[in-house]
Amino acid sequence: GQQLNQSPQSMFIQEGEDVSMNCTSSSIFNTWLWYKQDPGEGPVLLIALYKAGELTSNGRLTAQFGITRKDSFLNISASIPSDVGIYFCAGQLRGNEKLTFGTGTRLTIIP
Amino acid sequence: DGGITQSPKYLFRKEGQNVTLSCEQNLNHDAMYWYRQDPGQGLRLIYYSQIVNDFQKGDIAEGYSVSREKKESFPLTVTSAQKNPTAFYLCASSRGVSNQPQHFGDGTRLSIL
Repeated sequence: GQQLNQSPQSMFIQEGEDVSMNCTSSSIFNTWLWYKQDPGEGPVLLIALYKAGELTSNGRLTAQFGITRKDSFLNISASIPSDVGIYFCAGQLRGNEKLTFGTGTRLTIIP
Repeated sequence: DGGITQSPKYLFRKEGQNVTLSCEQNLNHDAMYWYRQDPGQGLRLIYYSQIVNDFQKGDIAEGYSVSREKKESFPLTVTSAQKNPTAFYLCASSRGVSNQPQHFGDGTRLSIL
């Protein structure tokens, strides 16, 4: 199946710092999605991107759909303790409901 | 409230036993999905259904079976043929129209006794 490379695999930051993570694909996608998963729970949709070059914000979160349609970026500004968790990207092709998921970025905030 | 309900939250299976995981949604979504999540890995698709009475294999369907007799329900059976069933299982649904995002339940953790 298709592969999504998500990086970094883990991040250790201090509260208040900004965070950046990204996903790259060998294939073109029509939709990029970003999810956050807390321990023992299901992923929750954060941001959905539908057009190349699109930049969308959700509070302190901002995500971009890369121009090449093979990558996407998620930024979190001024991190707070509740930002801790695993962030997943997912790509989707038009006409196909199946998602391809990245392997996740685990975010930890150091006291 | 609308949402996706998975049950049970925790499930234990004995060797050679089949177990069934429940997934119900009241979002009126056409499409439903089952994923498996192992530690440190992304989600892998087991089966999906785009409409009632129809379903397709995902990337890791061996040892699993599903049914879709009702729009709201998409149960997953982990059969004895699945030799490594210990994992976190996630159910999701979407409107089924292209480019509609999937929404997830809270998962079922399956362990072997």
